[in-house]
Amino acid sequence: DAGITQSPRHKVTETGTPVTLRCHQTENHRYMYWYRQDPGHGLRLIHYSYGVKDTDKGEVSDGYSVSRSKTEDFLLTLESATSSQTSVYFCAIRAPTILTGELFFGEGSRLTVL
Amino acid sequence: DQQVKQNSPSLSVQEGRISILNCDYTNSMFDYFLWYKKYPAEGPTFLISISSIKDKNEDGRFTVFLNKSAKHLSLHIVPSQPGDSAVYFCAASNFGNEKLTFGTGTRLTIIP
Repeated sequence: DAGITQSPRHKVTETGTPVTLRCHQTENHRYMYWYRQDPGHGLRLIHYSYGVKDTDKGEVSDGYSVSRSKTEDFLLTLESATSSQTSVYFCAIRAPTILTGELFFGEGSRLTVL
Repeated sequence: DQQVKQNSPSLSVQEGRISILNCDYTNSMFDYFLWYKKYPAEGPTFLISISSIKDKNEDGRFTVFLNKSAKHLSLHIVPSQPGDSAVYFCAASNFGNEKLTFGTGTRLTIIP
């Protein structure tokens, strides 16, 4: 199994508070991703990183920021959480073989914004 | 704009029979397709993939078919087993692109 851990696994917060989710990998992979999963929408890409300090936006990046100061950690921050950001968040890393492009996912972080 | 679509939110199949999950895409630039399986409270796991130079790829009980002209792919599971009950996501990309675009998922339930 790919070494990916997400923290926290569960969090309940209030509207307007900042929230940071952490993704930690032990695989030394270059690419890391944050997705959110919502009913009726499947998995949607929020942000991704292709190296330390190199990040780019996905399809639902509004309201989110990311940082990657070292290879193993990719942080997702909600500066001011809203109820629409209640979701399950998955971090993923990409296998280095470009022909496959498989992603390995963490177990998810369930965020509830009241 | 949903570029990858799974029009069946759910599917129930008798154990031992064939399960067929469908996926359509609209972006003609996609040339690599994957299926992921997801159990509750776990992250998705890779199941099988196919590139656009093929029309079929098989791995044990799982076979993926690709019809490029129709922009359609399907996942066949034969025979279906209770452990196959999960949500299945199809995903698409093109070679050299770091991002995968996922469909909305189909919840498969295998009836014993």
